[in-house]
Amino acid sequence: DAKTTQPPSMDCAEGRAANLPCNHSTISGNEYVYWYRQIHSQGPQYIIHGLKNNETNEMASLIITEDRKSSTLILPHATLRDTAVYYCIVRRNFGNEKLTFGTGTRLTIIP
Amino acid sequence: GAVVSQHPSWVICKSGTSVKIECRSLDFQATTMFWYRQFPKQSLMLMATSNEGSKATYEQGVEKDKFLINHASLTLSTLTVTSAHPEDSSFYICSAIPGQGIEETQYFGPGTRLLVL
Repeated sequence: DAKTTQPPSMDCAEGRAANLPCNHSTISGNEYVYWYRQIHSQGPQYIIHGLKNNETNEMASLIITEDRKSSTLILPHATLRDTAVYYCIVRRNFGNEKLTFGTGTRLTIIP
Repeated sequence: GAVVSQHPSWVICKSGTSVKIECRSLDFQATTMFWYRQFPKQSLMLMATSNEGSKATYEQGVEKDKFLINHASLTLSTLTVTSAHPEDSSFYICSAIPGQGIEETQYFGPGTRLLVL
């Protein structure tokens, strides 16, 4: 699996958009970009994933650069409940493919 | 949809005893489940991949005789920590993949916190 690089921590004001970057310069053509988050003392929560097109769901938007070497997760209107560790993971989309968690970005939403 | 549960949510046991943790997919069938462990202030580490009806595949460094995994049905996988010791105290989390579609996302359970005294 390709490795990812994320900033260790970020702050964002409540109500503003939170933009979380991720570098995955060695990503392979068949690897997807996945985002999960982990709120303290809970299991990870799936947020969104994509291959090469930008994606949006009820939780967030995922912007993937044209060369696929980096991506940005956007939480459009951050709330205090969005405070968590956010993990960017690249993974082939086959059944037994495991997720390899890095250290992620600790996002703190400031009131 | 895609809800994964774990039981118990927390457990305290004496050193030397065995502890069983259940992972269930509530609204889907999961041919593949994964077991992770997370120590304080660390990231999740995969322990093993569990496939229904076959033996689990363990990651390097994980003792298969200490961490017994059984995936007897498409909705249930169990992890048994045998002869638990204080160093096994950790947060154990399972995940499951619904079906065998083109895009196979892992969904995680809420985790089980184990404290071995």
